[in-house]
Amino acid sequence: QVQLQESGPGLVRPSETLSLTCAVSGASVNGFYWSWIRQPPEKGLQWIGSVYYSGSANYNPSLKSRVSISIDTSKNHFSLNLRSVTAADTAMYYCARGVGPRYWGQGTLVTVSS
Amino acid sequence: QAVVTQEPSLTVSPGGTVTLTCGSSTGAVTSSHYPYWFQQKPGQAPRTLIYDTSNKHSWTPARFSGSLLGGKAALTLSGAQPEDEAGYYCLLSYSGAVIFGGGTKLTVL
Repeated sequence: QVQLQESGPGLVRPSETLSLTCAVSGASVNGFYWSWIRQPPEKGLQWIGSVYYSGSANYNPSLKSRVSISIDTSKNHFSLNLRSVTAADTAMYYCARGVGPRYWGQGTLVTVSS
Repeated sequence: QAVVTQEPSLTVSPGGTVTLTCGSSTGAVTSSHYPYWFQQKPGQAPRTLIYDTSNKHSWTPARFSGSLLGGKAALTLSGAQPEDEAGYYCLLSYSGAVIFGGGTKLTVL
């Protein structure tokens, strides 16, 4: 059974870069799409973007200018970078397998605050 | 960018049947939107119930089913249980991007 685990700082300063990693176990990242999704407190889900194991990525147009998603097949993990963050980027961040996510991580809360 | 719409809230009686819907601002939802349905309980990560319109995961209770209905994607719960009280989100695919609906808060009462 595939398992995903998000990791990274829980607090990021405004204007800095939010960086998270998703470690995949129980399955290889090869052959699949992998996604990042976020959920602000008490709000709905928002797709951030997805990366194929080859490295090609698609992003939410509303975030495209600030986001990059990469994958490291040798380490069996993928990563999210979100630049120039503001308080509006405070959210629970989930990693998942698939563009349509079929398997989810437990999520990690990232707060943007000075 | 398309907007995906869901009922903000619905109520179902224990043992009853309820249908949640998922519409698209671009027109009728079809199988080419590969509709997904997720359940989320307070303090928990979402879990995928239905993918590609009607396919279930091994953990999806048999009382949940997915379909296309009247130009929308639909999630039908037949024989509601108290533990089904949760938020439900749909997701539709649009040419390499995906958009979540705003979610439906389902109350079992």
